[in-house]
Amino acid sequence: QVQLLQSGTELKKPGSSMNVSCKVSGGTSLRKGINWVRQAPGQGLEWMGGIIPLRGARNYAQKFQDRITITADESTNTAYMALISLTSEDTAVYYCARDIAAAGAVFDLWGQGTLVTVS
Amino acid sequence: SYVLTQAPSVSVAPGQTARITCGGENVGLMSVHWYRQRPGQAPVLVVFDDSDRPSGIPERFSGSNSGNTATLTISRVEDGDEADYYCQVWHVDNVHPGVVFGGGTRLTVL
Repeated sequence: QVQLLQSGTELKKPGSSMNVSCKVSGGTSLRKGINWVRQAPGQGLEWMGGIIPLRGARNYAQKFQDRITITADESTNTAYMALISLTSEDTAVYYCARDIAAAGAVFDLWGQGTLVTVS
Repeated sequence: SYVLTQAPSVSVAPGQTARITCGGENVGLMSVHWYRQRPGQAPVLVVFDDSDRPSGIPERFSGSNSGNTATLTISRVEDGDEADYYCQVWHVDNVHPGVVFGGGTRLTVL
């Protein structure tokens, strides 16, 4: 059974950085693409960016361009999302999601979510 | 930046049909995808490429997309359909292509 397993809950200080991992398991590869989406408390879904290891490509939402880095380690089938200069507005559940689209983005499988609290 | 507009809430009685709309400029020219999110859970893809269903999603879920409006239709609504529903597109512009989500619609089953 294919799963995306994310790292655990984090509590961060303002001004610090976060690094969330997403391991793909169960017989599939992350090569086609992993994206990151966050959801602030009581709010909707917000796309942050994605990586397509197969193409060596990354794409970041303009809002996070200066603060985010998404990487992938194909040897361990794990993707990472790092976000720096945290503020209270970064408090959210962070999801990784597998992209199955040949062009564009369609997220067919999601991680369980990682709660990050900045306080 | 591109905006997808969804009504905050829709209510429907069990067994009836729910229609959740997603408005955007020329959204009919894009592929629209829909996600269901139950409280405390991760989103689940229920319709992709306007009207296709992933395996495991009942035929009661269907989608359409034309002009400036995409629609997710849920027939014979059940209690378990109560959730937040989000539309999503991949928007390409000259400056910054990327994923856009609608604000979400909460479906309440009366």
